[in-house]
Amino acid sequence: SYELTQPPSVSVSPGQTASITCFGDKLGDNYASWYQQKPGQSPVLVIYQDTKRPSGIPERFSGSNSGNTATLSISGTQGMDEADYYCQAWDSSTVVFGGGTKLTVL
Amino acid sequence: QLQLQESGPGLVKASETLSLTCTVSGGSISSSSYYWGWIRQPPGKGLEWIGTIYYSGSTYYNPSLKSRVTMSVDTSKNQFSLKLSSVTAADTAVYYCAKFAVAAVRFDPWGQGTLVTVSS
Repeated sequence: SYELTQPPSVSVSPGQTASITCFGDKLGDNYASWYQQKPGQSPVLVIYQDTKRPSGIPERFSGSNSGNTATLSISGTQGMDEADYYCQAWDSSTVVFGGGTKLTVL
Repeated sequence: QLQLQESGPGLVKASETLSLTCTVSGGSISSSSYYWGWIRQPPGKGLEWIGTIYYSGSTYYNPSLKSRVTMSVDTSKNQFSLKLSSVTAADTAVYYCAKFAVAAVRFDPWGQGTLVTVSS
């Protein structure tokens, strides 16, 4: 079965750029989406089709996807960005989520 | 604005069947190009896709759960449902419903989620 691998945790200083990676075999051949989840809340879509931002998502959120790795980048990271982030893809009619990355803003 | 709301028992006994319904408001469940999905999250753990269904009844299920999952749609009520049979403590989780855009490969929006606890 297809798997997506994320680092369990990433730390970033306020104002710096955070990068969260998602690894999957030939992931670049599929679209990747990213979700933000804060404690006690439902996940929120922040990036879809590798690079697109839904309306209402700040411009500091961006994405890329090439080869085996999709990356979510958050520039000028703020305290409000501290959350769990999940990547997601669609492969062989199956939805797959990564294990999630806890972003800590120190 | 499209909204989704999960409903169903919060407590299910082991070996029985978990049943949940998702009510869609602010839009039609019969919209083309969109599927409707269930995702769950055990306490303190990550997201797990359960399955997705089209308004016509066409389904995709997680292979690891396929033998126990049944999804259905009621277009007259603008609802879709999930049944998970032979539940165990491992099925204790927050269950979310969400709209799935196949072409864009995205779940958006999500319901608020409902906690289902399996008791022995």
